[in-house]
Amino acid sequence: EDKVVQSPLSLVVHEGDTVTLNCSYEVTNFRSLLWYKQEKKAPTFLFMLTSSGIEKKSGRLSSILDKKELSSILNITATQTGDSAIYLCASGSGTYKYIFGTGTRLKVLA
Amino acid sequence: EADIYQTPRYLVIGTGKKITLECSQTMGHDKMYWYQQDPGMELHLIHYSYGVNSTEKGDLSSESTVSRIRTEHFPLTLESARPSHTSQYLCASSELAGGLTYEQYFGPGTRLTVT
Repeated sequence: EDKVVQSPLSLVVHEGDTVTLNCSYEVTNFRSLLWYKQEKKAPTFLFMLTSSGIEKKSGRLSSILDKKELSSILNITATQTGDSAIYLCASGSGTYKYIFGTGTRLKVLA
Repeated sequence: EADIYQTPRYLVIGTGKKITLECSQTMGHDKMYWYQQDPGMELHLIHYSYGVNSTEKGDLSSESTVSRIRTEHFPLTLESARPSHTSQYLCASSELAGGLTYEQYFGPGTRLTVT
């Protein structure tokens, strides 16, 4: 059965800290690994990693795909209170399917 | 910013009522999806569509139905709402090109409460 597991489930840090969120996947016909940020509403897209693009960076956020370990990490440096959210990891399988993890709930304290 | 819309945003309705949740996107995406998400839980795929007149059930059993008569529109219907249908419903779309899986764009969601 396809599955995506995220850790930790929740995390509380102080502003300025650096955090690393983990995602491991077991899916058939793996195509991509996606990271989303979900605040009160719908998920917003952060990164997509594929076999041809295993590292992405945008500002204070960066992500790496480890195809050997079937995992990915999302790093956030110099965290701010606005980074507080649920971070979702999803694996694209085949041409249509996305399997989501339960997310990591991040809270950044001022 | 993605152009995908859902209405209503919030709905409280009594048991037994028929409801339709609307989803529209203006990006010309072929693939559209409906997910169900309970608080603190992962997203579960309940329906998806490759294009016009193409709909399939997802991994999570659902008593809802969908239709795809136009590329931009993917409504979800519950013929008889029950309290167990209380949840957040998220619509998403993505491109279909060359067999590749592209990122999904999500609508704002509909939070449904059935009393």
